[in-house]
Parts: sequence; C-alpha cells; structure tokens
Amino acid sequence: QSVLTQPPSASGTPGQRVTMSCSGSSSNIGSNTVNWYQQLPGTAPKLLIYSNNQRPSGVPDRFSGSKSGTSASLAISGLQSEDEADYYCAAWDDNLHWVFGGGTKLTVL
Amino acid sequence: QLQLQGSGPGLVKPLETLSLTCGVSGGSLRGGFYYWGWIRQPPGKGLEWVGSIYYSGGTYYNPSLKSRVTISVDTSKNQFSLNLRSVTAADTALYFCARWDASGSYDIWHFDLWGRGTPVTVSS
Repeated sequence: QSVLTQPPSASGTPGQRVTMSCSGSSSNIGSNTVNWYQQLPGTAPKLLIYSNNQRPSGVPDRFSGSKSGTSASLAISGLQSEDEADYYCAAWDDNLHWVFGGGTKLTVL
Repeated sequence: QLQLQGSGPGLVKPLETLSLTCGVSGGSLRGGFYYWGWIRQPPGKGLEWVGSIYYSGGTYYNPSLKSRVTISVDTSKNQFSLNLRSVTAADTALYFCARWDASGSYDIWHFDLWGRGTPVTVSS
C-alpha cells in the first residue's frame, strides 16, 4: 500500500479538463513539495511537475499542479489522446525518504 | 546527453541476493549535486523508492527495506549498484535506476532522469 493516496483511475474526452488528486500527511505533502511523473505504457516515468507547480522545459502548459495542506492536484487541460498514461505523485518525507502514490491511470475516451 | 543503463540477472531465487548495476554514460556521476538510486515497480503496481546514494557514499534508504538494502557507488567505473538480500516473491519488480536532483533547496528536489528499467523475477 502506497504512502500517498491517489484515485486508481480517471477519464476524460479530448479537449476536456481533468484533475487528479494526491493525499498525504503532515510529514510529507504537508511540509514538503510535490512532484508529478507521467508514465506512458511500457516506458520509464518522466518528470511532469516539480515543486508543486513548476514545469520542466518541454512540458506543455496544459499540465499544471497545485498543493493545499496535505493534498495536491494535477490538472490537464485540452486533453489529448497522447495524455493517456499513468500519473504518480511523490514527495520527500521529513523522516528522510521519498514516498510515492499508487498512481492514477488516465483514460482518454 | 547523460543516460542511465541498468543491468543484472533477470531471475533470482528466494532468499538469495538481488544484485543490479546502473552505468552512467555521457557524463560523470561526480558532477553536480545529485543522488543516484533505485525505484522499483511490481507488475501492475505503483512506484516504490528503494534508496539513493551520493558519489561520496552518503545514502538514504526506504525504511521498509533498509534492513535488506545496500547501495554502493564506484566512481572509477561511473556506476552504482544495488544489493537486496533475502528476497521473496514480493521483490519481483521492474527496477529503475534514477537520478535525484538535490541541487538547490529541498523544495525543488525531484527525480529528473530515469533508466529504462531492469526486470527482476524472484522464483525458484
């Protein structure tokens, strides 16, 4: 069982805006920033968002992140078929280790 | 362009030691302020951080695995390694080597570079 809690699935139609959540505790999300990773089928995860809401170079601005208290959210606007993937949240824990969520599988209908 | 390439046996017997190596190409693992480590993914499941090491030897480990894990670094070969002892079927997973960017303050730490993943099955 993962330390961070994510809904197992989400879906949307092309062009739609979808959001997915990530819930933690005071020792991880509550006191540290959240990163999001995208894992396309059969590939390694790729950094999508770091420090709650920062996009690495090359990540479209359709992807955005936010954090409030012990929860975080990833939003994807203008949904595209190539966004179909698994999305994972992660955070540093004050007990000196990284924690991940169980992942949300996004289906583009 | 820096790349990570994991390698090691794809099949390990129960109670034996899983040993993997990750080679760093296109750059030195001594450059910058990065930790080098392992993240695993059991079949059909999510990601689990195993542990990470700095080039000078400082380590962080997942508390749930700490008693069985050793990560080491060989700067002369530009590679780092994972040893996981007394494995069981629960250790069957795709093992990714990954770079943790620890430059700057902790609030911008993240994993920015991943290898392709090395599959490991624990079975007799």
